[in-house]
Amino acid sequence: GAGVSQSPSNKVTEKGKDVELRCDPISGHTALYWYRQSLGQGLEFLIYFQGNSAPDKSGLPSDRFSAERTGGSVSTLTIQRTQQEDSAVYLCASSAARRGFEETQYFGPGTRLLVL
Amino acid sequence: QKEVEQDPGPLSVPEGAIVSLNCTYSNSAFQYFMWYRQYSRKGPELLMYTYSSGNKEDGRFTAQVDKSSKYISLFIRDSQPSDSATYLCAMTPYSSASKIIFGSGTRLSIRP
Repeated sequence: GAGVSQSPSNKVTEKGKDVELRCDPISGHTALYWYRQSLGQGLEFLIYFQGNSAPDKSGLPSDRFSAERTGGSVSTLTIQRTQQEDSAVYLCASSAARRGFEETQYFGPGTRLLVL
Repeated sequence: QKEVEQDPGPLSVPEGAIVSLNCTYSNSAFQYFMWYRQYSRKGPELLMYTYSSGNKEDGRFTAQVDKSSKYISLFIRDSQPSDSATYLCAMTPYSSASKIIFGSGTRLSIRP
């Protein structure tokens, strides 16, 4: 069956440009998460969507970062005025239930972002 | 100091060896402990999770938590080349994915 998909798989951009990263979760999964993974670092939580509830944005590093989830399915992470320190792998995950991590998170392959 | 410390490796062992992967942490409030496996250019996948102290076994994998020492371990028995991956520990004080703190990962290579 289809897993979590992310696009693009790789993105190279110039400093100061805006980028949009897309995540298609597993169909029927109500929870969706965005993480950032920098070289030699663990996963850094960015934002969490659960159903129709207000998203948990507590992990977003600055107001240049925003995310939307339309129709309870596809999500877009937008980074405005990109900086070189934004270079990382951006991972999306989805899960089926409301019990947080006790329900397995299924991760996508990530989008590798390089800001020149 | 990071909340979760994990030796980045790389760790290289021969096939069939017992592998020990470890993390230390500083926040005594952590209650839930997880291990993820991440193959190259793939997203992480959850291997095991445990609540509070003790051991949990699943096939060739054993997770161990020692809260008194703030130390967790993952043991892999009869290691296989297919176990070659990066292993990330993770933990949280809550039953909530939005508060999980991840280690930086240990790169493991199993030599045939």
